[in-house]
Amino acid sequence: NAGVTQTPKFQVLKTGQSMTLQCAQDMNHEYMSWYRQDPGMGLRLIHYSVGAGITDQGEVPNGYNVSRSTTEDFPLRLLSAAPSQTSVYFCAIRGQGAGTEAFFGQGTRLTVV
Amino acid sequence: SQQGEEDPQALSIQEGENATMNCSYKTSINNLQWYRQNSGRGLVHLILIRSNEREKHSGRLRVTLDTSKKSSSLLITASRAADTASYFCASIPMDSSYKLIFGSGTRLLVRP
Repeated sequence: NAGVTQTPKFQVLKTGQSMTLQCAQDMNHEYMSWYRQDPGMGLRLIHYSVGAGITDQGEVPNGYNVSRSTTEDFPLRLLSAAPSQTSVYFCAIRGQGAGTEAFFGQGTRLTVV
Repeated sequence: SQQGEEDPQALSIQEGENATMNCSYKTSINNLQWYRQNSGRGLVHLILIRSNEREKHSGRLRVTLDTSKKSSSLLITASRAADTASYFCASIPMDSSYKLIFGSGTRLLVRP
């Protein structure tokens, strides 16, 4: 039972390249979210999903795309990488309802040069 | 920005002392949660306090919530070197329970 699995752990991209960060869960939780963490800024919500086929934008969605075709997977796509997207990315899952805790993946450290 | 604020940004204490971190949030909440992060790894849930609760305890952790001031505090008693980590509060807004809005975090260093 791995919980939340993120791949890759590290990635270096050139400006303008695209890539997909993978997030997979085995806990059957409805809510899945992507956050980015920059020094001194905590975690900021990029996109989230409340169930398969349903996604919405968070606080900082520009430059990112998501889809959720299954309960288990929630990939994050960078369409055309920019240096400002250099960050650590975390995927999080939560069960349905307000009183549930989040479980996080171990993060993807992305550098855009 | 939806983000909340935490203070202090960094805290350095001696082992055995108590550590207090404060958090402010912006909207009416259903509940507030505290998380811990070790060295850039994934966050781990510590404790949840509901909007109708004022205080909650879990082991060496004590959390308070003041909804009139939109603020919360986390107290770690009898700190240990292993408590060294970053601590984040996260609020669940009343009108969007699927979101978890994080504060900026407090970096705690516990010196042996």
